[in-house]
Amino acid sequence: ETGVTQTPRHLVMGMTNKKSLKCEQHLGHNAMYWYKQSAKKPLELMFVYSLEERVENNSVPSRFSPECPNSSHLFLHLHTLQPEDSALYLCASSQGGRSTAQHFGDGTRLSIL
Amino acid sequence: EDKVVQSPLSLVVHEGDTVTLNCSYEVTNFRSLLWYKQEKKAPTFLFMLTSSGIEKKSGRLSSILDKKELFSILNITATQTGDSAVYLCALNAGGTSYGKLTFGQGTILTVHP
Repeated sequence: ETGVTQTPRHLVMGMTNKKSLKCEQHLGHNAMYWYKQSAKKPLELMFVYSLEERVENNSVPSRFSPECPNSSHLFLHLHTLQPEDSALYLCASSQGGRSTAQHFGDGTRLSIL
Repeated sequence: EDKVVQSPLSLVVHEGDTVTLNCSYEVTNFRSLLWYKQEKKAPTFLFMLTSSGIEKKSGRLSSILDKKELFSILNITATQTGDSAVYLCALNAGGTSYGKLTFGQGTILTVHP
């Protein structure tokens, strides 16, 4: 059981659907992250929120839209996705400060039909 | 651009063996190097290294950093089947107030009984 909870665990959607991934952290951290993990590729940082403000957007297509309503919750809204977007999406949190470890959730396994 | 390269990409051993996993990096503004273990779900934090030559140890696992030669190693002694996982090395670098991790591609460790 980790301090970072992601739902759903698995998601299958068509290219025209709209869905959202949810992440909640129970660690009192003030920074949250979305990563994409594709087969045989390193984890890729997508977005960073620090103190509820988006501070990083690593050239992610606009079909991915993050939202951070408070320091404990993070969403990733999905629409009009492509087959190459099928991957494991991981959420992480950390206590701001430059040298603290990030703690990860179990991820959402996303499959685009 | 910051870069992390892990070797070997995969490793198969028998229980009781000792393994050494390697992580080399290129970085502009080093803060820390982190090791994670990923089984089927969330990457779990193992170590964070900030200073050269100081070994971090947890049970059968240990790690050390060489900031002059730009590499780190993760050692596992007396391996067990439960050590089978992907081991990820990540670099925390940059001038931000939050963590920004660059991951290597991982080493897949398989321990046979």
